[in-house]
Amino acid sequence: SQQGEEDPQALSIQEGENATMNCSYKTSINNLQWYRQNSGRGLVHLILIRSNEREKHSGRLRVTLDTSKKSSSLLITASRAADTASYFCARLTGKLIFGQGTTLQVKP
Amino acid sequence: GAVVSQHPSWVICKSGTSVKIECRSLDFQATTMFWYRQFPKQSLMLMATSNEGSKATYEQGVEKDKFLINHASLTLSTLTVTSAHPEDSSFYICSATEKLAGGSPLHFGNGTRLTVT
Repeated sequence: SQQGEEDPQALSIQEGENATMNCSYKTSINNLQWYRQNSGRGLVHLILIRSNEREKHSGRLRVTLDTSKKSSSLLITASRAADTASYFCARLTGKLIFGQGTTLQVKP
Repeated sequence: GAVVSQHPSWVICKSGTSVKIECRSLDFQATTMFWYRQFPKQSLMLMATSNEGSKATYEQGVEKDKFLINHASLTLSTLTVTSAHPEDSSFYICSATEKLAGGSPLHFGNGTRLTVT
């Protein structure tokens, strides 16, 4: 299968709460990327974390990477209704392979 | 920021006809473009990788003769769905990068919703 695993598949939270999404992969990576997709639209790149990095921040986003466990997590702090979207991790192995994604719903 | 334009955004066609989808990089030269297919509530499945001036590399299970990819210039790649059938109905998304190595992010088009009747 092309895809890694992400959990949860779906997440519903209230505005202001934090949202955590996890991603696991099987092969070694040079970097791992997180993307966001609004319904019926293309993807927007959020953040890239290299294999020699453990944590990276961008605004309200925090990504961690544990290469020993082959896993990564995306944390969105102080969520907003506008954060409602699907979030995908993706690893570059000569081509960009996406995880199954987490659908996040933030209720106002 | 880098922009990728994908056209059309949606198309309805009859079974047996062919449909061409264009993907253009507007402000950078895309050495590599990827074509993905996405079914409702699912992730993106890579169909093929196209490098300018060379033949596309297709993923296992993707029919080369059905999904024709042409990457004739550094700013344009096209995907032609030939002899379309209802099962080809899907959301097709292209992405492009200036430099695949080094971890440059991919820039995505807004996708094309294909409906085959």
